[in-house]
Amino acid sequence: EIVLTQSPGTLSLSPGERATLSCRASQSVSGNYLAWYQQRPGQAPRLLIYGASSRATGIPDRFSGSGSGTDFTLTISRLEPEDFAVYYCQQYGSSPRTFGLGTKVDIK
Amino acid sequence: QLQLQESGPGLVKPSETLSLTCTVSGGSTTTSNNYWGWIRQTPGKGLQWIGSIYYNGNTYYNPSLKGRVTISVDTSKNQFSLQLTSVTAADTAVYYCATVAGPFQHWGQGTLVAVSS
Repeated sequence: EIVLTQSPGTLSLSPGERATLSCRASQSVSGNYLAWYQQRPGQAPRLLIYGASSRATGIPDRFSGSGSGTDFTLTISRLEPEDFAVYYCQQYGSSPRTFGLGTKVDIK
Repeated sequence: QLQLQESGPGLVKPSETLSLTCTVSGGSTTTSNNYWGWIRQTPGKGLQWIGSIYYNGNTYYNPSLKGRVTISVDTSKNQFSLQLTSVTAADTAVYYCATVAGPFQHWGQGTLVAVSS
């Protein structure tokens, strides 16, 4: 089973700042099949990025994903108020599909 | 637009079977190349993939659930279902259904299921 480690656990930033979130896999993610999700309180996760770097439908271009193999990054170029949430990475290249424990982006 | 809605009991007794249904609207469970899945979320263990079912009925389960899981699809009702047997307090979670297009693309709102006597 691939273990995904996200860092930092919490990121305290101000609106307008840049957020950089990391996801490291315990072994190489096949096909770079790595997704990122956003979860706001009381809501289901929402798909942001798939295939490590492709934005899902309707996702603003301030969200971008990069990386390959075992190291992946989600970048939010300029934080908007609605971006303060928890972000999860997930690999779907091998079974069982696994998630990281999340990075919380909160307001500084 | 595709929408999913979970339904089922919010409370299940230990050792009994948890049963949930996901109703699909704005799409069809019979559409080829569609997978449907279940995920759960707990404060302690985070998000966990439970299993997925293909439109033709082929199923894929998380081995960590040790054979306690069954996912099925009822195309006549445009629904798919989850059964989890021999539940314990550790199965208390928010359960989500979702479409599976590689990643989990569309999610239901989730339903909290508590295991308690």
